[in-house]
Amino acid sequence: AQSVTQLGSHVSVSEGALVLLRCNYSSSVPPYLFWYVQYPNQGLQLLLKYTSAATLVKGINGFEAEFKKSETSFHLTKPSAHMSDAAEYFCAVSDPGGSYIPTFGRGTSLIVHP
Amino acid sequence: SQTIHQWPATLVQPVGSPLSLECTVEGTSNPNLYWYRQAAGRGLQLLFYSVGIGQISSEVPQNLSASRPQDRQFILSSKKLLLSDSGFYLCAWKGGGSNQPQHFGDGTRLSIL
Repeated sequence: AQSVTQLGSHVSVSEGALVLLRCNYSSSVPPYLFWYVQYPNQGLQLLLKYTSAATLVKGINGFEAEFKKSETSFHLTKPSAHMSDAAEYFCAVSDPGGSYIPTFGRGTSLIVHP
Repeated sequence: SQTIHQWPATLVQPVGSPLSLECTVEGTSNPNLYWYRQAAGRGLQLLFYSVGIGQISSEVPQNLSASRPQDRQFILSSKKLLLSDSGFYLCAWKGGGSNQPQHFGDGTRLSIL
């Protein structure tokens, strides 16, 4: 069975600082990996996805993530935080074997201070 | 392009009343469809998913039910709402293949009084 761990339910950064949101997965085979962002009272929006091509994936809004098989990680980063980045971020994993149901982490709330 | 519509955006219902939330998808055929619930400050809880018309799988036993009367329509229902049914309900669709991401609607905020 797959699992996803997002370390830190809340991450607080200053505007302009580096953003690092952690995601570790547990899977018997390298899975497909996704990051989603959720703004208040909205649905989830896809930020980026890893589907076994390049290990460094660039997404929308200046975010990127690197797949590290040896560390079973897929951390999300952004060089410089903006106030508009304040939101909930979810990491999700999908089994290449064809499961219909992705497994989501519990989410990390990003707080950006001026 | 594909779009997903979910309504209503907000709903306030008394305990014991019925519920019907509707979700429709446009621009794709035979999508996988999902209903999730988010309690305040919590993650996503998968309630139901469907891989085809009339095919519903339930992940959590409760007083909710789901139906898929048409290929791109997914309905969440209840005959009698409980206080614990309050939350933010999200509909999502996904294309075939586990490398495809999910696409979410804007959600319905349900408050039970």
